[in-house]
Amino acid sequence: DAKTTQPNSMESNEEEPVHLPCNHSTISGTDYIHWYRQLPSQGPEYVIHGLTSNVNNRMASLAIAEDRKSSTLILHRATLRDAAVYYCILRAPNSGGSNYKLTFGKGTLLTVNP
Amino acid sequence: KAGVTQTPRYLIKTRGQQVTLSCSPISGHRSVSWYQQTPGQGLQFLFEYFSETQRNKGNFPGRFSGRQFSNSRSEMNVSTLELGDSALYLCASSFRAGAYEQYFGPGTRLTVT
Repeated sequence: DAKTTQPNSMESNEEEPVHLPCNHSTISGTDYIHWYRQLPSQGPEYVIHGLTSNVNNRMASLAIAEDRKSSTLILHRATLRDAAVYYCILRAPNSGGSNYKLTFGKGTLLTVNP
Repeated sequence: KAGVTQTPRYLIKTRGQQVTLSCSPISGHRSVSWYQQTPGQGLQFLFEYFSETQRNKGNFPGRFSGRQFSNSRSEMNVSTLELGDSALYLCASSFRAGAYEQYFGPGTRLTVT
């Protein structure tokens, strides 16, 4: 399975933008890049996903490098509620078929300072 | 719209017993996936059901099984419980199969003693 590499932790200040990096140098052409986050004592929460082009939604923006070997999740103005573990995941096809699954890594623990 | 619900939220079982966990997806969602989360291994995919059929399976022993009913509700069963099965079991639903945008429930915390 193609793997992702993320920093173990990052810190940000409230109201400031946050750029969360993810490396996926072995990504294949059919892999989508998904981001989820997990707040303390909760299940993961979908944030955003993309394939090649940059994507925006109400929660965040996803910037994908031209060679697709890395991507960045951008929180435009961090709030205390954004403190969570952020997972960058490749939606990769399961071997032997066209079914897809999500393989979660360790993620990045984002701390937001007031 | 109600979110994904999982029951029970907490469970304590003894080694060798079996357990059944339940998941009700978001209304209209036909895909249900199950994950196991532990401090050591993180989040690991167990299986996905779509329209009552298992579509995808992770690398777990046969003691872990599941099913999905015609109303899309899903159950997960673990037989012959081992201490290492202690974990948070998360259920996620989505409109389409294949790990598209998934919505997770709060999980069931299983402790095996």
